[in-house]
Amino acid sequence: NAGVTQTPKFRILKIGQSMTLQCAQDMNHNYMYWYRQDPGMGLKLIYYSVGAGITDKGEVPNGYNVSRSTTEDFPLRLELAAPSQTSVYFCASSPDLTDTQYFGPGTRLTVL
Amino acid sequence: QQQVKQSPQSLIVQKGGIPIINCAYENTAFDYFPWYQQFPGKGPALLIAIRPDVSEKKEGRFTISFNKSAKQFSLHIMDSQPGDSATYFCAARPSGTYKYIFGTGTRLKVLA
Repeated sequence: NAGVTQTPKFRILKIGQSMTLQCAQDMNHNYMYWYRQDPGMGLKLIYYSVGAGITDKGEVPNGYNVSRSTTEDFPLRLELAAPSQTSVYFCASSPDLTDTQYFGPGTRLTVL
Repeated sequence: QQQVKQSPQSLIVQKGGIPIINCAYENTAFDYFPWYQQFPGKGPALLIAIRPDVSEKKEGRFTISFNKSAKQFSLHIMDSQPGDSATYFCAARPSGTYKYIFGTGTRLKVLA
């Protein structure tokens, strides 16, 4: 049971480039989340999903897109990367009826 | 905008000391208050959580105290150990949602 996995661990992008951050979970959780963590700040919710085919915006969705075609995968797409998107990105998942969120190890993204 | 204010930003204690981390919220419509522990290079992990109908919860050396009237909750770590050195985040979940609002984190260092 790998839990929540994220790839890549590190990435450097140039301004205007795009990329997809991968997230997968093998716990059959319906709920999945994307957060960003900036230095000295708490986690900010970007997007979340309550099941395959259902996604919704969080607190800071601008500049990002998500899709959820399967229960297991919840990729985050960055279009036209900007320096303001330099951050550590965490994916998380949770079961239907309990409250615990399980986090992945994170992706450190730098946009230059 | 709903907020969770966390203090202090950093904390240094001697081994065996009892660090206390405080959080305050501004909206009464929260139904779940978790604390997360994060080690460098890792994702946050749920440490302990409390609901507003309980004033205190203990799990091992970790205790949450909850003051509903003051809209405050705090984490106490009994007999702290160097292995407890990490960043601690409080969070609050608005009732009826799947979204969490996180505090800005407290970096704890326990000296041997």
